[in-house]
Amino acid sequence: GQQVMQIPQYQHVQEGEDFTTYCNSSTTLSNIQWYKQRPGGHPVFLIQLVKSGEVKKQKRLTFQFGEAKKNSSLHITATQTTDVGTYFCAGRGGGTSYGKLTFGQGTILTVHP
Amino acid sequence: EAGVAQSPRYKIIEKRQSVAFWCNPISGHATLYWYQQILGQGPKLLIQFQNNGVVDDSQLPKDRFSAERLKGVDSTLKIQPAKLEDSAVYLCASSSSRQSYGYTFGSGTRLTVV
Repeated sequence: GQQVMQIPQYQHVQEGEDFTTYCNSSTTLSNIQWYKQRPGGHPVFLIQLVKSGEVKKQKRLTFQFGEAKKNSSLHITATQTTDVGTYFCAGRGGGTSYGKLTFGQGTILTVHP
Repeated sequence: EAGVAQSPRYKIIEKRQSVAFWCNPISGHATLYWYQQILGQGPKLLIQFQNNGVVDDSQLPKDRFSAERLKGVDSTLKIQPAKLEDSAVYLCASSSSRQSYGYTFGSGTRLTVV
């Protein structure tokens, strides 16, 4: 079945440093979504990427979808303590409109002030 | 708009007991999902409903887990009998028919089986 892997599992940064998490799928995806989960909270939708090579920005966050639609990345510029949490990618397999979203295991981001 | 409502927030049961979780999705969202999130892992889909029909339940342990979505609105997930490895957060999510929208998750039910 479809597998989605994320690296790194943990990332500790000083406030102001940049952060990147990478997501790789075993199969070609129709689209990929990114979620953020604060400690003790639930996943919150950030963005969806659909097109090959797509790049989207949300303030300090930059999301990329690979040309082959099998990988993706999330980059945060100049991290802040409010960025703390676990970032998940979730890939949707190609095919039907109701294709299952498969979540990666997440990258836990810690930001030291 | 109101979010996805889940109850209870916490539940502690002994192994072999039964437990049920309830979810009320966002009004108008046709698709409802139950996910299991074990500590330190990403959410794993248990079952997906489209209105009141099951779209995907391939990862639902059907010998002990059951779910229903009567009338295509709220849903219940039941575990009977529970095992120690069922300890996890059970998340309900809903989405609209537009694929450009992500899933909206509820706050989840934290289940501890002792």
